[in-house]
Amino acid sequence: GESVGLHLPTLSVQEGDNSIINCAYSNSASDYFIWYKQESGKGPQFIIDIRSNMDKRQGQRVTVLLNKTVKHLSLQIAATQPGDSAVYFCAEIHRDDKIIFGKGTRLHILP
Amino acid sequence: GAGVSQSPSNKVTEKGKDVELRCDPISGHTALYWYRQRLGQGLEFLIYFQGNSAPDKSGLPSDRFSAERTGESVSTLTIQRTQQEDSAVYLCASSLAWRRDPTYNEQFFGPGTRLTVL
Repeated sequence: GESVGLHLPTLSVQEGDNSIINCAYSNSASDYFIWYKQESGKGPQFIIDIRSNMDKRQGQRVTVLLNKTVKHLSLQIAATQPGDSAVYFCAEIHRDDKIIFGKGTRLHILP
Repeated sequence: GAGVSQSPSNKVTEKGKDVELRCDPISGHTALYWYRQRLGQGLEFLIYFQGNSAPDKSGLPSDRFSAERTGESVSTLTIQRTQQEDSAVYLCASSLAWRRDPTYNEQFFGPGTRLTVL
């Protein structure tokens, strides 16, 4: 299948540990943010979203934090599992509905 | 089928030829999105449709690219006079609607069309 993210930054985490993936966004007018997960050979998969009027949102084993002051978004994954190995993309949606994706980070779970 | 489908899965063409990529969204999804992903890079948003209309076409890389959608269903992305830099995987996604709410906005992606321009 398609090999995604050959030259992306890589984060290696021990299985069972927590991981934090960071993303800097570009436009202070963005009001909605989404994290996607893309496994090798597959299309992206929605993980979690957050609106700009929130600072934090939790899902199952995942938490997204938004710091509007420094235009920073992070995805925290608790108790990482082998299946979490993938490339993670953040996306910002501008008020005019343009969607901008970040470059992506490869998460590698060590056994 | 329950998911988004795209065809062809692979397309090899010669520089200068036109290509047409097809996307069949999930039935009932009114929003449809096209993305491009070059090898080793992130997703590049191209265009989205709400119903049959595309509110903003400025994401298309050049005037060689066009997209249309009919019947709030199938969409085609056409690339005219293909160039080598057009080589990429073209991904289509659909969602219930385009709203800032995961209930409606969760996008389901197709497997993509790998385009290679020789």
